[in-house]
Amino acid sequence: GQNIDQPTEMTATEGAIVQINCTYQTSGFNGLFWYQQHAGEAPTFLSYNVLDGLEEKGRFSSFLSRSKGYSYLLLKELQMKDSASYLCAVRVLRAGNNRKLIWGLGTSLAVNP
Amino acid sequence: SQTIHQWPATLVQPVGSPLSLECTVEGTSNPNLYWYRQAAGRGLQLLFYSVGIGQISSEVPQNLSASRPQDRQFILSSKKLLLSDSGFYLCAWNPMSSYEQYFGPGTRLTVT
Repeated sequence: GQNIDQPTEMTATEGAIVQINCTYQTSGFNGLFWYQQHAGEAPTFLSYNVLDGLEEKGRFSSFLSRSKGYSYLLLKELQMKDSASYLCAVRVLRAGNNRKLIWGLGTSLAVNP
Repeated sequence: SQTIHQWPATLVQPVGSPLSLECTVEGTSNPNLYWYRQAAGRGLQLLFYSVGIGQISSEVPQNLSASRPQDRQFILSSKKLLLSDSGFYLCAWNPMSSYEQYFGPGTRLTVT
């Protein structure tokens, strides 16, 4: 079956660095996404990895290892506004060249002053 | 620039009543469109997706249906709501040439 695992909750301090891990067991892997979702709001796109390695975008970086079925989202210089849920999603290829996103349950990050 | 709209923002409906949620996308043509539901404490569940007018694929058997009467319009419907239909309903789109999905503001549905 298709499965994505993320920690349920994490806590960090303002100004610090935090790493949110995501492991997946899927077939037909075709890319991994990270989204940010503030309480009561829609998810917003953060990053996309399809090849192994690190993608850096400002304070946020995302890493992928396809052989290990593993990704992490790294948040630097944490700010209070980074308190949100972080969703890991894997895109899989299906029959007929259709693509589907499989979503993790999200990691709720609390940034404390 | 592209914009995605959803309405209403919140909705309280009694069990057994009908439902119609609308989603429209501006500033693009021929987008892929998606309906998701996010229940409390659960992840995003894909309900329907559409690659073109009149083309709807259902992911989960349930009492909901979807229609795409126009290129940039996607409608989620139900004839009779169940308590278990409560949740946060999100419409999303991605252009044919892009990977990431962009979400609308969502509709929070409470079935009482």
